[in-house]
Amino acid sequence: AQSVTQPDIHITVSEGASLELRCNYSYGATPYLFWYVQSPGQGLQLLLKYFSGDTLVQGIKGFEAEFKRSQSSFNLRKPSVHWSDAAEYFCAVGGRNQGGKLIFGQGTELSVKP
Amino acid sequence: DAMVIQNPRYQVTQFGKPVTLSCSQTLNHNVMYWYQQKSSQAPKLLFHYYDKDFNNEADTPDNFQSRRPNTSFCFLDIRSPGLGDAAMYLCASKAGGTDTQYFGPGTRLTVL
Repeated sequence: AQSVTQPDIHITVSEGASLELRCNYSYGATPYLFWYVQSPGQGLQLLLKYFSGDTLVQGIKGFEAEFKRSQSSFNLRKPSVHWSDAAEYFCAVGGRNQGGKLIFGQGTELSVKP
Repeated sequence: DAMVIQNPRYQVTQFGKPVTLSCSQTLNHNVMYWYQQKSSQAPKLLFHYYDKDFNNEADTPDNFQSRRPNTSFCFLDIRSPGLGDAAMYLCASKAGGTDTQYFGPGTRLTVL
């Protein structure tokens, strides 16, 4: 079965501290992996994506993610968190088949302490 | 700027009263999606159009319908909204053959 698991429902970090949000996936074919961010009451904004090639991908707002096939993981990282990063983060997996359907994880809510 | 637009941003309807949500995109994408996102949950795909071909997810209730009169516009019709249909409804689009979906800001539906 195709699925995405984000083990952490809620994470709190101090401003300036580093951040890692976990994502594990189960997907039968070669996965296309995404991280989206959602501010309260807003739609989803794409942070970064992985299709192939270099397993460390850079995204917007200083975020990066590393694809580890052996661990079926695609964790999101940021070296120094800003207060404006407080939001909900969704990991998603999809493919070129099935109309490009995305399967989302449950999301991780990030709070940032001053 | 090219984008995905959803109207209205907030919609209030009464139990059982039909409601239509609107989505348009200026990206000239041929694939459009409707997702339902309930509070504190992941977005869940309801259906999508690939050009004019409609693709319904197996577990999408019959209460939900969609129309795509042209490339730019896509509508979500809820025939008889129940309290359980209160959610954020997200529209997205992408170009066929590519892999990145672009999302609109969503419509928050309240059912009284």
